[in-house]
Amino acid sequence: DAKTTQPPSMDCAEGRAANLPCNHSTISGNEYVYWYRQIHSQGPQYIIHGLKNNETNEMASLIITEDRKSSTLILPHATLRDTAVYYCIVRYSGGYQKVTFGIGTKLQVIP
Amino acid sequence: EAGVTQSPTHLIKTRGQQATLRCSPISGHTSVYWYQQALGLGLQFLLWYDEGEERNRGNFPPRFSGRQFPNYSSELNVNALELEDSALYLCASSSYMNTEAFFGQGTRLTVV
Repeated sequence: DAKTTQPPSMDCAEGRAANLPCNHSTISGNEYVYWYRQIHSQGPQYIIHGLKNNETNEMASLIITEDRKSSTLILPHATLRDTAVYYCIVRYSGGYQKVTFGIGTKLQVIP
Repeated sequence: EAGVTQSPTHLIKTRGQQATLRCSPISGHTSVYWYQQALGLGLQFLLWYDEGEERNRGNFPPRFSGRQFPNYSSELNVNALELEDSALYLCASSSYMNTEAFFGQGTRLTVV
């Protein structure tokens, strides 16, 4: 019952921007969009989150469409260490208890 | 600041046995979440503890149980182990409901 849809895999050239899309067409008004990544079956690492506005931090930028039905995670200058599985999830303000992480997008950064 | 720590890193058990997995949250975090990640699959929500109470559980049988201690650390117990319980078990913590969760490195449970 995943609430998000992501492409299963993507490639990106090293040094280029990686743009990872996510569809969440059934998102409700009080649900946030969160992005995590998981490297080599380690624990997922938090990247960024947003509600309505675009967000930027030291790791990435998050662009959310005006209707909030989709978003894009942007890694501005991808490096080999960014190779990972990226998960887009939506969760309401009540916590993570109803969140299921889907299979995510496997991003391969190519030298 | 220490992150979420899980022990053991690897655990090998025989079918029918019991497994106990442990999680220490980030200092100050009161919520602990447990997830199961079978090979090649996404993370499936197992349990949520907050302030010592079980707040919610996912679609797993009762042989998956746990508890949270007064210091907010947590245990996940899996009884009557089955081969399909083999997975990476991840623990995450957050300070309260509206913040991001931070994950530990997981416990790889193998049932033979």
